[in-house]
Amino acid sequence: GAVVSQHPSWVICKSGTSVKIECRSLDFQATTMFWYRQFPKQSLMLMATSNEGSKATYEQGVEKDKFLINHASLTLSTLTVTSAHPEDSSFYICSAPRTGKAFFGQGTRLTVV
Amino acid sequence: DAKTTQPTSMDCAEGRAANLPCNHSTISGNEYVYWYRQIHSQGPQYIIHGLKNNETNEMASLIITEDRKSSTLILPHATLRDTAVYYCIVGVGFGNEKLTFGTGTRLTIIP
Repeated sequence: GAVVSQHPSWVICKSGTSVKIECRSLDFQATTMFWYRQFPKQSLMLMATSNEGSKATYEQGVEKDKFLINHASLTLSTLTVTSAHPEDSSFYICSAPRTGKAFFGQGTRLTVV
Repeated sequence: DAKTTQPTSMDCAEGRAANLPCNHSTISGNEYVYWYRQIHSQGPQYIIHGLKNNETNEMASLIITEDRKSSTLILPHATLRDTAVYYCIVGVGFGNEKLTFGTGTRLTIIP
């Protein structure tokens, strides 16, 4: 069964609004989680590293004020896309490490209209 | 992270073995080879990983060359459900690291 759960699986929002995506580790603790973004027909691109109890680390070119990451507990990281625009429409995926491997959530399809 | 090179796409007949190659000529001595796959509109799924010995699990086999500069993922009896993009990634193996995904190989299983 899934060890990392993401919610929602898909969301449609209006331009200018904010959207929150949750990533939960099931039955294990994750002090670190990772957020990726994937555009159609492209590979996964790492956006940021989410650290429990401290600030997230963002990859070059990713706006930290637009993509807010909160890792308030050992089993939950959230990604909030603020003031979403159509160009933010993408597939967002989180991962958490366990037993030396990375486990991924099922992904969230965000469509901004 | 060491870079990997994979063919863009491959076809394989259903029921046959699918052999997916990966070059990782700059791999470091402490880096593992990981394979993940991504079925359309889903998150990546872990398949197998290895350091230098060949590995086998219920999903696949991993053959790593003696010089560790390349490897092959083998799906012994491919089914239609194996159609996916397969990613070969190298990393130090603790899981607590960011992964760099290349373009992967799009494997299509032909009925």
